[in-house]
Amino acid sequence: GAVVSQHPSRVICKSGTSVKIECRSLDFQATTMFWYRQFPKKSLMLMATSNEGSKATYEQGVEKDKFLINHASLTLSTLTVTSAHPEDSSFYICSARLGRGGNTIYFGEGSWLTVV
Amino acid sequence: GENVEQHPSTLSVQEGDSAVIKCTYSDSASNYFPWYKQELGKGPQLIIDIRSNVGEKKDQRIAVTLNKTAKHFSLHITETQPEDSAVYFCAAGLINDYKLSFGAGTTVTVRA
Repeated sequence: GAVVSQHPSRVICKSGTSVKIECRSLDFQATTMFWYRQFPKKSLMLMATSNEGSKATYEQGVEKDKFLINHASLTLSTLTVTSAHPEDSSFYICSARLGRGGNTIYFGEGSWLTVV
Repeated sequence: GENVEQHPSTLSVQEGDSAVIKCTYSDSASNYFPWYKQELGKGPQLIIDIRSNVGEKKDQRIAVTLNKTAKHFSLHITETQPEDSAVYFCAAGLINDYKLSFGAGTTVTVRA
């Protein structure tokens, strides 16, 4: 099946710094990628939709200046958590939509962010 | 918007028995229903999906049924094995749209 890779899988950063998480579609082109946040034992919360070559679409309540999303190519989207705070610590997961007009979505392995 | 409810939240079954997870959705326009399996510390994996023009779909030990009239769909796992232990999420959305609404998840434990 389709493979979506995330890097890093775990990252620890200091409060006030920024951290970037990469999401790559390894064997297909993804015009649309999605970023989710998941708290322990909770469901996935869609943060934003990343569109190749255009600005990301953020869900209500998600700060676009804090969670910067860039989708520079058909296989790469990045999420940058700026001026990180301990409450930003979470499991961040990306996914990619396979095919235009299709709705099969494959997830990456996730990235654990800990802000100390 | 779409609201997906999932039950039960936890499910413990004996190895070899069947497990059933049920989801209901609110938006009658939804026509795509995937199921994901998430192991601890990993991203969700698509295990099976069904579209509204089909009432049932099966893949080896996993099957999904859909009742559009009642707006509910179910995941059935037969002959459960310890490696089936994980959190399972249902989701609902529109084909040609990108948004999926997820259920709260079901933690399945298969007892050896």
